[in-house]
Amino acid sequence: GQSLEQPSEVTAVEGAIVQINCTYQTSGFYGLSWYQQHDGGAPTFLSYNALDGLEETGRFSSFLSRSDSYGYLLLQELQMKDSASYFCAVVGGATNKLIFGTGTLLAVQP
Amino acid sequence: EPEVTQTPSHQVTQMGQEVILRCVPISNHLYFYWYRQILGQKVEFLVSFYNNEISEKSEIFDDQFSVERPDGSNFTLKIRSTKLEDSAMYFCASSQHPPGEHTEAFFGQGTRLTVV
Repeated sequence: GQSLEQPSEVTAVEGAIVQINCTYQTSGFYGLSWYQQHDGGAPTFLSYNALDGLEETGRFSSFLSRSDSYGYLLLQELQMKDSASYFCAVVGGATNKLIFGTGTLLAVQP
Repeated sequence: EPEVTQTPSHQVTQMGQEVILRCVPISNHLYFYWYRQILGQKVEFLVSFYNNEISEKSEIFDDQFSVERPDGSNFTLKIRSTKLEDSAMYFCASSQHPPGEHTEAFFGQGTRLTVV
């Protein structure tokens, strides 16, 4: 089967940098995505890594290492509004279905 | 900005009843999905739909569930004979790009289903 593990909770202060790790076991996939979810609302897309390396999108960056079955999301210049749950997800199958990780609840403190 | 819309936002039903959850995907998208999230847990894939048929489904998506695209805009999830453990948030999603290409999925706001 497929499994993706993330830390359950992370706490950081405004302005800081935080890294959320994701380790996975899967037989094959196109890439690794990250989604943000506020208070059980709609998951919203943050980033996608198809290849190994770092992808940067504004304050957010994401990294993938297929050889290590590992990825991370890096959030810089944290703001209070970044308090949310963050999910990694492998993208695969015939229709790009998402298999989500266990999720990380990020709490940003003043 | 185009968005995925879901109705109703909340649905309470008695155990054993049938419910239909409705979704309007983004109009030029080709791939449609249903996911569910039990309170406090991760989002789980249920089923994907492409070219008017089910493409993939998870082990959760058993004979109790069915999906339909009855017209050019709506995409529905039917749950027959609901059970208490079906209580969850159900998310519809759609995407535009074929497998392997850049693949952002757009999610609706969800339908919170409560089975009593």
